[in-house]
Amino acid sequence: GAGVSQSPSNKVTEKGKDVELRCDPISGHTALYWYRQSLGQGLEFLIYFQGNSAPDKSGLPSDRFSAERTGGSVSTLTIQRTQQEDSAVYLCASSLAGRPGQYFGPGTRLLVL
Amino acid sequence: GDSVTQMEGPVTLSEEAFLTINCTYTATGYPSLFWYVQYPGEGLQLLLKATKADDKGSNKGFEATYRKETTSFHLEKGSVQVSDSAVYFCALSDGSSNTGKLIFGQGTTLQVKP
Repeated sequence: GAGVSQSPSNKVTEKGKDVELRCDPISGHTALYWYRQSLGQGLEFLIYFQGNSAPDKSGLPSDRFSAERTGGSVSTLTIQRTQQEDSAVYLCASSLAGRPGQYFGPGTRLLVL
Repeated sequence: GDSVTQMEGPVTLSEEAFLTINCTYTATGYPSLFWYVQYPGEGLQLLLKATKADDKGSNKGFEATYRKETTSFHLEKGSVQVSDSAVYFCALSDGSSNTGKLIFGQGTTLQVKP
């Protein structure tokens, strides 16, 4: 079956612009996670969705970051007024609720100039 | 808070050598433990997992045992191949929050030379 997909695969933007990153999880996976992978910080958790609600947003680094999930499926991570330190690979993962082990998408590589 | 510590890399081995990558953790509650692998240019793949003490996870010749007494989950393989060259991440699921979010180690780069 299809895995987790993310788009775009690469995004180059100018400082101060807004960007939207999309994640399409594995069908039937109710849990969805966003992580960020950067050279200086390694892999960091950003936000967790169970269905359409986000009970854990503790990893979002600032109020410029937000995410939503609709229909219990697709999720969008939005970064407003991008800064150079936002440059990283943004990873989405999904899993069945209550089951250990998450399946990751290929990531979106974001470069803020 | 919960954390994972991995041995620093890079680890460079010759083909058919024995591999150990050390991983220790600090956690409240009862986390599940994981090894993920990232091959060059690819995304993270779940390699193996263990959900309770003394469980052994295994896959593709790799194995790791959940050791609660030493809070460790070391990755081993008896005979590595060039195709095993990748970055390996140890991770735990946050056992105290019930969200299943993963906390990762810094990653260990493995280079296998023919």
